[in-house]
Amino acid sequence: QKEVEQNSGPLSVPEGAIASLNCTYSDRGSQSFFWYRQYSGKSPELIMSIYSNGDKEDGRFTAQLNKASQYVSLLIRDSQPSDSATYLCAVPLDNRLAFGKGNQVVVIP
Amino acid sequence: NAGVMQNPRHLVRRRGQEARLRCSPMKGHSHVYWYRQLPEEGLKFMVYLQKENIIDESGMPKERFSAEFPKEGPSILRIQQVVRGDSAAYFCASSPGQWNTEAFFGQGTRLTVV
Repeated sequence: QKEVEQNSGPLSVPEGAIASLNCTYSDRGSQSFFWYRQYSGKSPELIMSIYSNGDKEDGRFTAQLNKASQYVSLLIRDSQPSDSATYLCAVPLDNRLAFGKGNQVVVIP
Repeated sequence: NAGVMQNPRHLVRRRGQEARLRCSPMKGHSHVYWYRQLPEEGLKFMVYLQKENIIDESGMPKERFSAEFPKEGPSILRIQQVVRGDSAAYFCASSPGQWNTEAFFGQGTRLTVV
């Protein structure tokens, strides 16, 4: 099993809809989880951190963590064209931050 | 409080030349990480450094690549005798502690080998 998996292909959502992204991880001992947003040709930007089971909301973003099932998700409410980007899930592993391959989100006006 | 600073932003090298990429972490951050990203691919870990120490270089090729983070000055990623396959975006990130704390990325250096 890969360390951090994001399996969904590109996600197209209408403007104003909810975009839902999922991520699973292999290390049961992981305690910290991060979502980064990366625009094409730009560097990753940290948008959410979550450490405890349950939901964490920040503006239009909600991160959901379920340690028992080893998954973390990101919801983007009221999606805007400016949300069109690749979203990377990241989990600390040994001495590094392991990244998933990312999910591309395209918000259609 | 300036963010993570990387320079140069773009670097063109001919095959066989050396590339030196610099990274100054955020103020108060003593942990630096280098990643490489090929077009349409994910971020690949290369090396993790603290001041004057290499903590983990398991992601860095054994040949031609080296990294340092001296007591004074920026972290340096050095690629000797570059080849076309080294063309990529190289990102540096810094954090105040280990990876269980939030880490922030610089703007990256786009290396093109011609």
